Amino acid sequence: DGGITQSPKYLFRKEGQNVTLSCEQNLNHDAMYWYRQDPGQGLRLIYYSQIVNDFQKGDIAEGYSVSREKKESFPLTVTSAQKNPTAFYLCASRVDSYNSPLHFGNGTRLTVT
Amino acid sequence: KQEVTQIPAALSVPEGENLVLNCSFTDSAIYNLQWFRQDPGKGLTSLLLIQSSQREQTSGRLNASLDKSSGRSTLYIAASQPGDSATYLCAVGVVETSGSRLTFGEGTQLTVNP
Repeated sequence: DGGITQSPKYLFRKEGQNVTLSCEQNLNHDAMYWYRQDPGQGLRLIYYSQIVNDFQKGDIAEGYSVSREKKESFPLTVTSAQKNPTAFYLCASRVDSYNSPLHFGNGTRLTVT
Repeated sequence: KQEVTQIPAALSVPEGENLVLNCSFTDSAIYNLQWFRQDPGKGLTSLLLIQSSQREQTSGRLNASLDKSSGRSTLYIAASQPGDSATYLCAVGVVETSGSRLTFGEGTQLTVNP
């Protein structure tokens, strides 16, 4: 079945450590996105990538980094510079057409203590 | 900067009732609007996508409308069921020089009581 896989579902880290969240899709989608969701807030865009080896900052990119070496994969690294990293992280993808729907993975809940 | 607002933040209705969820946006220069459903602890599922040239889209008991000029969209759910309980989010699509992206509202948490 085609879809977006985010792993792990839950992730725990100590403050000061970098952590990488995985996002893999087998939908042959060109564009991929990372969003952050906090309680009572909508989704906020962290980074997005329209094609391989290219990506753009979203609204809250500070303290995060990404890579897009393969079409299927768009990992997100939460660095120690991110002041409030505890959140629910959602990866999404779509065909690179303005009017194609966005498909989401099931998210990774990151807790940093 | 595009801002998306959803009202109400939470809604509780008895089973069988028809209901309307509202979404408003500040910049009418959008290319589409999407409605999503999110169950607790899960990702989002796309329900309906309305292109900027369209006025409405229907899928089963769901009907979404779009009025670009007034910056509003509504999601109508007919004959609500307990299984409809979830958070509903709207998002508007905008095109920037760096690519296309969606801006999300904060969602409406719907509870349908049996």
